[in-house]
Amino acid sequence: GAVVSQHPSWVICKSGTSVKIECRSLDFQATTMFWYRQFPKQSLMLMATSNEGSKATYEQGVEKDKFLINHASLTLSTLTVTSAHPEDSSFYICSARSPGRGPRDEQFFGPGTRLTVL
Amino acid sequence: AQKVTQAQTEISVVEKEDVTLDCVYETRDTTYYLFWYKQPPSGELVFLIRRNSFDEQNEISGRYSWNFQKSTSSFNFTITASQVVDSAVYFCALDLLQGAQKLVFGQGTRLTINP
Repeated sequence: GAVVSQHPSWVICKSGTSVKIECRSLDFQATTMFWYRQFPKQSLMLMATSNEGSKATYEQGVEKDKFLINHASLTLSTLTVTSAHPEDSSFYICSARSPGRGPRDEQFFGPGTRLTVL
Repeated sequence: AQKVTQAQTEISVVEKEDVTLDCVYETRDTTYYLFWYKQPPSGELVFLIRRNSFDEQNEISGRYSWNFQKSTSSFNFTITASQVVDSAVYFCALDLLQGAQKLVFGQGTRLTINP
């Protein structure tokens, strides 16, 4: 149990286009989902926290209009990178949390999506 | 502010050697969780352990062991008799029980086990 999926696993797009990444909790309801970005050989940096049915909370320095997050249901959150540029190329990882799922609302991570912007 | 420091950027050892990955954290909270994750080349984070701040007992799981010391704010991870398959990036992370409940990751330690 506690499986989180991401789609697509990798994507290559042209500069200026928008890319949508999906994060799904497959066997539990996730009231909160987190989006992380990881540049090569660096750590994971939290981009935003999304709660089902409400607006996402973005970390300092993350552009809300650039990275659109929608948590429309208890099992799905999407991250849309709008007007992508080469500097947006990164590994995007989502995680999902469900109250009461574990001893401490443990986060379960998706496999990540590798975005390359040409 | 919360912070996790993994001072060892890269470690390289020969197979069967023991290796310890250091993790030092900073927080003013008295209740929190600490984690270790493994990230193999595939990129997917693999959960290794979660330890709450009230439990300072060391833990052993097969070749893996963890030493949690609140006095020094450290949560070190030791791999005994390392194997090539242990090669990966290892992250230590801090999760507060209050507030936004966000994970704060260390910079990661790239471990290479040479045959």
